[in-house]
Amino acid sequence: QKEVEQNSGPLSVPEGAIASLNCTYSDRGSQSFFWYRQYSGKSPELIMFIYSNGDKEDGRFTAQLNKASQYVSLLIRDSQPSDSATYLCAVTNTGGFKTIFGAGTRLFVKA
Amino acid sequence: NAGVMQNPRHLVRRRGQEARLRCSPMKGHSHVYWYRQLPEEGLKFMVYLQKENIIDESGMPKERFSAEFPKEGPSILRIQQVVRGDSAAYFCASSPPRQANTGELFFGEGSRLTVL
Repeated sequence: QKEVEQNSGPLSVPEGAIASLNCTYSDRGSQSFFWYRQYSGKSPELIMFIYSNGDKEDGRFTAQLNKASQYVSLLIRDSQPSDSATYLCAVTNTGGFKTIFGAGTRLFVKA
Repeated sequence: NAGVMQNPRHLVRRRGQEARLRCSPMKGHSHVYWYRQLPEEGLKFMVYLQKENIIDESGMPKERFSAEFPKEGPSILRIQQVVRGDSAAYFCASSPPRQANTGELFFGEGSRLTVL
């Protein structure tokens, strides 16, 4: 079992729609959860982080965490073509010493 | 720009040569991480260092790869006797000292190694 699992996609949504990205993790002791966005040929950049169960909203982005189900998701409302990128789910391990990344989900937003 | 600086951005080596990748963390950051990314794949953790200490190298291949973060100067990832399978993008990230650490990683632009 991979430590952090994501559907590789691609996920294709029309402009203005909601994009839903999902992630599961295996380490029950994980404390911190992150979503990074990576454009092709570029470095990852942080979009959201979440530490507690529930929802966290920031502009068009909402992160959701369910520790009992070991599940993290990212919702992107009013998707724009500029949101087209690979979205990486990341989880810090027990002890918080290293961050493990999923393989990423490629998102395409069609104009 | 006080971001994470990596060099070289692109490096070409022939099989059997050595590759040295350098990373200067953001000002005030004392934690450095190295990740490897193969085409169309996610980031694979390699090593986590603090000044003069390797904290976790569980993702580093046992042979040919080494990393250091000296008291003075950048962190260096060294790959000896490179093989074609080492061709990848190598990303360095840094984070602040633990007491100010939200867990966010600040990434450099990466060093893209091509082995001929």
